[in-house]
Amino acid sequence: QKEVEQDPGPLSVPEGAIVSLNCTYSNSAFQYFMWYRQYSRKGPELLMYTYSSGNKEDGRFTAQVDKSSKYISLFIRDSQPSDSATYLCAPSRENTDKLIFGTGTRLQVFP
Amino acid sequence: KAGVTQTPRYLIKTRGQQVTLSCSPISGHRSVSWYQQTPGQGLQFLFEYFSETQRNKGNFPGRFSGRQFSNSRSEMNVSTLELGDSALYLCASTKDRNTEAFFGQGTRLTVV
Repeated sequence: QKEVEQDPGPLSVPEGAIVSLNCTYSNSAFQYFMWYRQYSRKGPELLMYTYSSGNKEDGRFTAQVDKSSKYISLFIRDSQPSDSATYLCAPSRENTDKLIFGTGTRLQVFP
Repeated sequence: KAGVTQTPRYLIKTRGQQVTLSCSPISGHRSVSWYQQTPGQGLQFLFEYFSETQRNKGNFPGRFSGRQFSNSRSEMNVSTLELGDSALYLCASTKDRNTEAFFGQGTRLTVV
């Protein structure tokens, strides 16, 4: 079993839709949770950074962490064609910067 | 504020050769990590450096090595290149442990 599981998609939605992207993980030691967006042939771009359980909102993006169920979510409101990219979840443990990445979910937002 | 800079952006090498990739972290960041990204395996952790010391190492063969300099810049080296080493190599920098990690654009290595 992989430490981080993520549905690879692709997920195709119309412009303006609310998108829900999810990851599950197995290591209860994970304390820090990041979401990255990666466009084709580019490096990953940090979208959200959260610590432990709870919600965090930044503009159209909301990250949720439920440590009791080991479930991580990223919600995108009012999705735009420019949101079309691969979204990667990446948790890490205390005292290390080593990130464990999910496979990434490819999102396509069509006009 | 300049981001993470990786050089070169593209490389083509022949099997058996060696290669050195460079990463300049964001100014003030002390930690540098390296990742390999391939279509089949996704993003996999290679190493983590902080203050010139390797803090963590992934499950890669000894042909993969790295180092960090006193100015936090980092290099990674791959010796005796194999076709399977073709990948996007990404560098990430963090200011301190367990803070946000910012990635560079990567070096795309093709081994022929």
